[in-house]
Amino acid sequence: KQEVTQIPAALSVPEGENLVLNCSFTDSAIYNLQWFRQDPGKGLTSLLLIQSSQREQTSGRLNASLDKSSGRSTLYIAASQPGDSATYLCAVGSGAGSYQLTFGKGTKLSVIP
Amino acid sequence: EAGVTQFPSHSVIEKGQTVTLRCDPISGHDNLYWYRRVMGKEIKFLLHFVKESKQDESGMPNNRFLAERTGGTYSTLKVQPAELEDSGVYFCASSQGTSISDEQFFGPGTRLTVL
Repeated sequence: KQEVTQIPAALSVPEGENLVLNCSFTDSAIYNLQWFRQDPGKGLTSLLLIQSSQREQTSGRLNASLDKSSGRSTLYIAASQPGDSATYLCAVGSGAGSYQLTFGKGTKLSVIP
Repeated sequence: EAGVTQFPSHSVIEKGQTVTLRCDPISGHDNLYWYRRVMGKEIKFLLHFVKESKQDESGMPNNRFLAERTGGTYSTLKVQPAELEDSGVYFCASSQGTSISDEQFFGPGTRLTVL
């Protein structure tokens, strides 16, 4: 059974800092990994999708890496801004023939002006 | 292009009552998923439709939950009768094609409170 862990559960940084969010998963036989952002009371916004054959994906100030063999992914946010404050969720797709995503509990990020 | 929409945004019901949640996927998306997050837990998968067919319902908690997708467009999730532990946020997602690794797009969720 796939399990996804996100560390830390919460993170507070001053504006302008670069930061890294971590995601680990127990079963390395994944077919993709998605990073989402959730603002309070809102839905999930997809940030980056990494296929199992890829090592990283970039979008603007965001860079996500994937190391399947070690069961890890990181989300790097450059030059953080107060608007980046949100909960960041990692989800992996795995399981033979299964389309379901397995989520971590998320990291709540606060960027202090 | 409109995203995934869900209705209602909030629902408050008494234990034992029935509630029906609705999801409209992105137009043209054959795959539709239901997930939920209960208090303090991570988001968990409930089921997956391909068009009107249930492909995977391994996450459905019990037979008080019934999901339908008549005509392969919008979907409904009915909880009957609702119990206190059903409270949480119910998310719907959709993805486009037949690839297992297609990106899933999520709706805003329906917050269900059972009193």
